Parts: sequence; C-alpha cells; structure tokens
Amino acid sequence: DTGVSQNPRHKITKRGQNVTFRCDPISEHNRLYWYRQTLGQGPEFLTYFQNEAQLEKSRLLSDRFSAERPKGSFSTLEIQRTEQGDSAMYLCASSFRQGTSYEQYFGPGTRLTVT
Amino acid sequence: TQLLEQSPQFLSIQEGENLTVYCNSSSVFSSLQWYRQEPGEGPVLLVTVVTGGEVKKLKRLTFQFGDARKDSSLHITAAQPGDTGLYLCAGTNAGKSTFGDGTTLTVKP
Repeated sequence: DTGVSQNPRHKITKRGQNVTFRCDPISEHNRLYWYRQTLGQGPEFLTYFQNEAQLEKSRLLSDRFSAERPKGSFSTLEIQRTEQGDSAMYLCASSFRQGTSYEQYFGPGTRLTVT
Repeated sequence: TQLLEQSPQFLSIQEGENLTVYCNSSSVFSSLQWYRQEPGEGPVLLVTVVTGGEVKKLKRLTFQFGDARKDSSLHITAAQPGDTGLYLCAGTNAGKSTFGDGTTLTVKP
C-alpha cells in the first residue's frame, strides 16, 4: 500500500487562473476528504465523498471550488478564478470504517501560491 | 459548530523533559484522533480513542480520552528532538472530523 498521494506537490499560479489538484486515496478506502490548511491553523474541512457521491460541502466553500470523484477512486479539486486568499496547503485524506470510527489518512498536500 | 481548543499553542522544552498537551471541546465526539504534522507535509495519524476514559500508550506517548468524550490529553515522557512537530487533535462524528489548531512542540537537544 503506497498511501494517499497528491499531485502536484506545489503549484504557483497567477490570480484569475484556474487550477486543478488530484488525490489518489488508499485503494480500499471508500471515503475521501478535502481540507485546506493555512499557516498556524489546523486543517479546515472543505468536502467529502463516500464512493462517488459528494455527501457534504462546507458552507465556507465558494462556488469557485468544485470537487469530483467520478468513479469512486481518485478525486480532483478545481479552483476557478483563483484569488490571493486561496493560497494555502490543500490536503486530501481517505478513510474506511473501523468499528465505530473512521481513521483518516492524509496525503502530503498540495501547496498553492497565488501571486 | 464543533470547536476544539488546543493548549498550549506553543511549547519549547529540553530533551528529557515530560510534557502534556490538551484538547478541549464543549461537544461530544464518537472518537478522537491525534496527529503529528511536520512542516510541508500532511498530518500523520498517531492514535484513535473511542471510549470515554480510555487510555492508550504508544511508546513514550500516552493518550487519554475524557470520561464525557469531550476532551483529551497527550503526555510525552522523556521528550526527544525527534518529537518536534505540530500535534493536532481531531474530534470525529459520523466520519467527519473537526480539527484544533494544534500545539507546536519544540524539543531542544
């Protein structure tokens, strides 16, 4: 098992451009999560999927953000018309149910810098 | 809104010292996780606690879940420089986690 992978690891873009990030979860995990983390803060929930269904999306997430998990395997997070405030680390995690708990395993993150 | 407060925010100690960090909430969680995160990397899961009052040990790390499942503590014995990092707690309900802002630990040799 290779763990959760994310690509790219770093992305620098100009304000107004669109960016897309990819997450490949651990293969047997049916849940996939996206978080955003800024310096000095913990990860902030953005959205999550169970298989291919997007079950919840944070109210903090503007319409410029969209996520997909078309076949219940990898997922993509797209940010349209990027703003400087979008600069952050974008983290993906996957999980499966163990008894009554879900343990989330994180990828290394994608660091986005909007100039 | 479920909020988790972690304290202290920063902690700097000498190698060999003991320390405890705390994670508190007014919300009840079905489980709570502790993670360690290094700069530029994703959080790494250390432990999950599920039962109120539960204590789990991982080498020099001892994790405790409060009786009411609202708070937790992490105790490190004889800290080493390799323990340096950001320690995050996350409360989980129905598979969705809320994270605290972490305790940044620095262990000086």
